[in-house]
Amino acid sequence: ETGVTQTPRHLVMGMTNKKSLKCEQHLGHNAMYWYKQSAKKPLELMFVYSLEERVENNSVPSRFSPECPNSSHLFLHLHTLQPEDSALYLCASSQGFRGHANTGELFFGEGSRLTVL
Amino acid sequence: GQQVMQIPQYQHVQEGEDFTTYCNSSTTLSNIQWYKQRPGGHPVFLIQLVKSGEVKKQKRLTFQFGEAKKNSSLHITATQTTDVGTYFCAGLTSGTYKYIFGTGTRLKVLA
Repeated sequence: ETGVTQTPRHLVMGMTNKKSLKCEQHLGHNAMYWYKQSAKKPLELMFVYSLEERVENNSVPSRFSPECPNSSHLFLHLHTLQPEDSALYLCASSQGFRGHANTGELFFGEGSRLTVL
Repeated sequence: GQQVMQIPQYQHVQEGEDFTTYCNSSTTLSNIQWYKQRPGGHPVFLIQLVKSGEVKKQKRLTFQFGEAKKNSSLHITATQTTDVGTYFCAGLTSGTYKYIFGTGTRLKVLA
């Protein structure tokens, strides 16, 4: 138990579907992240929220839409994905410093394994 | 852009042998973190190094940060089957707040 919970753990969707990934952290952290982990690739940072404000968007396609309603919850809305988007999507949180994210250790969730058909 | 490379990509060792993975950054880092990801699991934080030339130990694991703060290493003494997994370094460049993860080294320990 890491204190970061992701649902669903597994998701299969067609290219025309709309789905959402959910992440909740119980650690009192003020920064949350979405990472993408594909086979044979390093962890790719997708989005960073610090104090509920998006501070990083690494040129992610618009078919991925993040939402951070409060400091404990983070969503990743998925729409018209492509087969190459199949990957493990990891949520993480950390205690940022002076409003900056990523200044402490990252606590990862178990991940959501996404398969796009 | 900044890149963080790790070598080797894969390493198979006999149980009891030592193991080392190296992390090299294209830019000078302010600090570096190390994570371990077990097969089917998620990355788990191991340690953070901040000072030039810093060496930290955790039981059989020894972490080192280079003098120029552009490279780091993780050494495991007398590997055990529980050491199996992928080890990632993640570097932070001064003035930024974004850790860049390395490509990872997958360790397999043969009993």
